Amino acid sequence: SQQGEEDPQALSIQEGENATMNCSYKTSINNLQWYRQNSGRGLVHLILIRSNEREKHSGRLRVTLDTSKKSSSLLITASRAADTASYFCATDPRRALTFGSGTRLQVQP
Amino acid sequence: EAGVAQSPRYKIIEKRQSVAFWCNPISGHATLYWYQQILGQGPKLLIQFQNNGVVDDSQLPKDRFSAERLKGVDSTLKIQPAKLEDSAVYLCASRWREEYSGELFFGEGSRLTVL
Repeated sequence: SQQGEEDPQALSIQEGENATMNCSYKTSINNLQWYRQNSGRGLVHLILIRSNEREKHSGRLRVTLDTSKKSSSLLITASRAADTASYFCATDPRRALTFGSGTRLQVQP
Repeated sequence: EAGVAQSPRYKIIEKRQSVAFWCNPISGHATLYWYQQILGQGPKLLIQFQNNGVVDDSQLPKDRFSAERLKGVDSTLKIQPAKLEDSAVYLCASRWREEYSGELFFGEGSRLTVL
């Protein structure tokens, strides 16, 4: 079974709106990472948050981490059509990163 | 710096045939991973190398999949014989070193279709 699970599975919004994706995981972690995957491409790292951090910002991205609830959220503010992609959370319960099933984000222009 | 290189980008084969995928990680990255990504799912780890040694191959179907990284640089993933359920994108990723729990750098992937 997957270590991380994203919610919702799919999200459709209008350009300029905010998009929020959630991730739940099962075991203790050192850090949690978010990746983006455009259709037919490889994954690209977006942001990493360590287990002792609660919130982190990078440009239009805001990530929160609640280790007591074993959950994280990714907020993309002022979304653009170019943000259309699948978004995955990844954790490191073992030596390699374990990925969730992803949230497919569609931003309508 | 150059990214992770993978080839071929696309491959179509008949079931029971064999196929090989090649990956060249970012220069200096000691850790290399092969992931399998089935359509609509997240990447699933197949095998992890540290230099030329295998760290984790617990999820590699060893009856048909094999991988090597002989000189600790580039790597080859082979499937023989292929099954229909092997249709997927095979992603190679690298990281500076295993102890550095930072980001992974991914290649564009090799898309396999088994007919």
